[in-house]
Amino acid sequence: DGGITQSPKYLFRKEGQNVTLSCEQNLNHDAMYWYRQDPGQGLRLIYYSQIVNDFQKGDIAEGYSVSREKKESFPLTVTSAQKNPTAFYLCASSMVWGGTGHNGYTFGSGTRLTVV
Amino acid sequence: AQKITQTQPGMFVQEKEAVTLDCTYDTSDQSYGLFWYKQPSSGEMIFLIYQGSYDEQNATEGRYSLNFQKARKSANLVISASQLGDSAMYFCAMRELTGTASKLTFGTGTRLQVTL
Repeated sequence: DGGITQSPKYLFRKEGQNVTLSCEQNLNHDAMYWYRQDPGQGLRLIYYSQIVNDFQKGDIAEGYSVSREKKESFPLTVTSAQKNPTAFYLCASSMVWGGTGHNGYTFGSGTRLTVV
Repeated sequence: AQKITQTQPGMFVQEKEAVTLDCTYDTSDQSYGLFWYKQPSSGEMIFLIYQGSYDEQNATEGRYSLNFQKARKSANLVISASQLGDSAMYFCAMRELTGTASKLTFGTGTRLQVTL
């Protein structure tokens, strides 16, 4: 079955460490996205990529980095520069124009990152 | 810049009753798409319903319908015959097309609690 796989489901990070969250899709989608969700909040866009080897900053890109070397993969690195990284991170993918309805955006099951 | 506003942080509804979740949006684009997602406590994002800006009829998907009032820039979700399993966070989102890129912007969500 096609879908998006995010790993790990839970991640603990010590202060000052970089960590990388994995996102893989087999939907043949061109576009991929990373969102951050804080408790009781909506999703905020961190980075997005419309095509391999290209990506754009979203609304809260500071302290994060991404790469898009393969169409299927869009890993997110949370760097030590991110002041408050504890959050729920969701990856999504879509056709490049976003699609409609059921053919629109597909989300992974998320990674819960906690700084200890 | 676009913005999605959900003014109801929390809502209660009795089982089998209908409930309306409010969503207003702000955009200067002529072409846009509006989505509603359900997020249970597990964190996954479940697509519910979609409305395109040029769609003349209100969208319906089973017990979900979208009350689209373009002039008022509102896209309220109506859930009929509420079930206990409908208890979750609900997010309104808008897709913006900018050239070859598309982005999905979310509201802050409404937590719905269905009671017996």
